[in-house]
Amino acid sequence: EAGVAQSPRYKIIEKRQSVAFWCNPISGHATLYWYQQILGQGPKLLIQFQNNGVVDDSQLPKDRFSAERLKGVDSTLKIQPAKLEDSAVYLCASSGQYNEQFFGPGTRLTVL
Amino acid sequence: KQEVTQIPAALSVPEGENLVLNCSFTDSAIYNLQWFRQDPGKGLTSLLLIQSSQREQTSGRLNASLDKSSGRSTLYIAASQPGDSATYLCAVYGTSGTYKYIFGTGTRLKVLA
Repeated sequence: EAGVAQSPRYKIIEKRQSVAFWCNPISGHATLYWYQQILGQGPKLLIQFQNNGVVDDSQLPKDRFSAERLKGVDSTLKIQPAKLEDSAVYLCASSGQYNEQFFGPGTRLTVL
Repeated sequence: KQEVTQIPAALSVPEGENLVLNCSFTDSAIYNLQWFRQDPGKGLTSLLLIQSSQREQTSGRLNASLDKSSGRSTLYIAASQPGDSATYLCAVYGTSGTYKYIFGTGTRLKVLA
C-alpha cells in the first residue's frame, strides 16, 4: 500500500511570494489533514477535510493561507503572500478506519 | 481546552536500558491516542494507536498504555537500541466530541551505544 505523498520536499522563497504544496493521501482515506510544524514543537493542525468538505480550519490564517481538496482525493495548500514566520515543515496526513493517522514526508519551507 | 504534555522534553540513556515516556492530557473525554516517532527532517511514523476502550497495545519492543481517568499514557521501550533515537510524540483524538488530533511537544530520545 502506497503511503501519503507530498511535493515538493523543500522550498525556498522570498517573503511576499506565493507557494503551493501538494498532497496525495492513502487510497480510500476519507480524512486529510494539513499541519504546520515549527522546529522543536508538535504539529499544529491547519485544516482538516472529510472527503472534500472542511471539518476544521479554526487555526488556518485565512488572510494568507488557503486549501482545497477537489474530488475528495488529493489536496493543495497555498500561502500568499508568505511571511518570515511561515518558515516551517508542512505535513500532510490521512486517516481511514479507527482514525489512525499516517503522515507524508513533509515539505520544509524557508522564507527569506 | 485540551492540553497535551510530554515530560521529559529530552532523555539520554545507555543502550539496553528499558525506558518509559510519558504523555499527559487534561480532558479525559478522548476517542483514541496515538504514539508517533519522528526522525530529524522526516515525517511522523505511526507506532501505536490505542482506542478509548483499550488499556494497552503492543508492537515488538514497544508497549503503550492508556489510563483515561487519570489523563495519562505511557510508552514503554524495552532493551533500547541506538536506532531508537528519535523524537516521540503523542496525540489525542476526539476531545469532547471534536474530531481532530492535538499533539504534545514530544520527548527527544538519545540512546547511547
